[in-house]
Amino acid sequence: DGGITQSPKYLFRKEGQNVTLSCEQNLNHDAMYWYRQDPGQGLRLIYYSQIVNDFQKGDIAEGYSVSREKKESFPLTVTSAQKNPTAFYLCASQYTGELFFGEGSRLTVL
Amino acid sequence: GENVEQHPSTLSVQEGDSAVIKCTYSDSASNYFPWYKQELGKRPQLIIDIRSNVGEKKDQRIAVTLNKTAKHFSLHITETQPEDSAVYFCAARAGTASKLTFGTGTRLQVTL
Repeated sequence: DGGITQSPKYLFRKEGQNVTLSCEQNLNHDAMYWYRQDPGQGLRLIYYSQIVNDFQKGDIAEGYSVSREKKESFPLTVTSAQKNPTAFYLCASQYTGELFFGEGSRLTVL
Repeated sequence: GENVEQHPSTLSVQEGDSAVIKCTYSDSASNYFPWYKQELGKRPQLIIDIRSNVGEKKDQRIAVTLNKTAKHFSLHITETQPEDSAVYFCAARAGTASKLTFGTGTRLQVTL
């Protein structure tokens, strides 16, 4: 079954802890993206990667880090430096312009 | 960078009526304008897109219009049905290597 798989679906974290969200795709797409979704603010771009071993900051990269060591994988780390990390995080891959989204990960900081 | 504004933020229509959602963009180099639908608790999915070389595109009850001079584009849904209830996002991108910038979303509710 092809697609984008994000895990975990729900995650709780204490303040001061780093957490890594997984994103895996078997669509053989080169480009991958991480978006943050907050009520009333749409989808805001955190990081994106056009090709393996390369990635670029999006509009709200502060407090986040990524890696792209494999084509299939684009994990996002939410660090303790992110001041307001509670949000819904969406990963996507891109092919001929269209974005294919995962089901998302909801992070709650306690 | 690109800035996309979307209106209205919420829209309620009666079943069978039409719904129109409008977006404006700032970067005149933008040439690709998709619309995504996100049902409650689900992932966003592409429903229609338009490129700058055309002014209108239709797909059954859904249509998108583009005015490059005014830098705005709109989503039109005719004969709305309850299953059209969702959040709709517009987006814009300048070139295939550029990032996609989304609007803030419109929550459409179709009432019986």
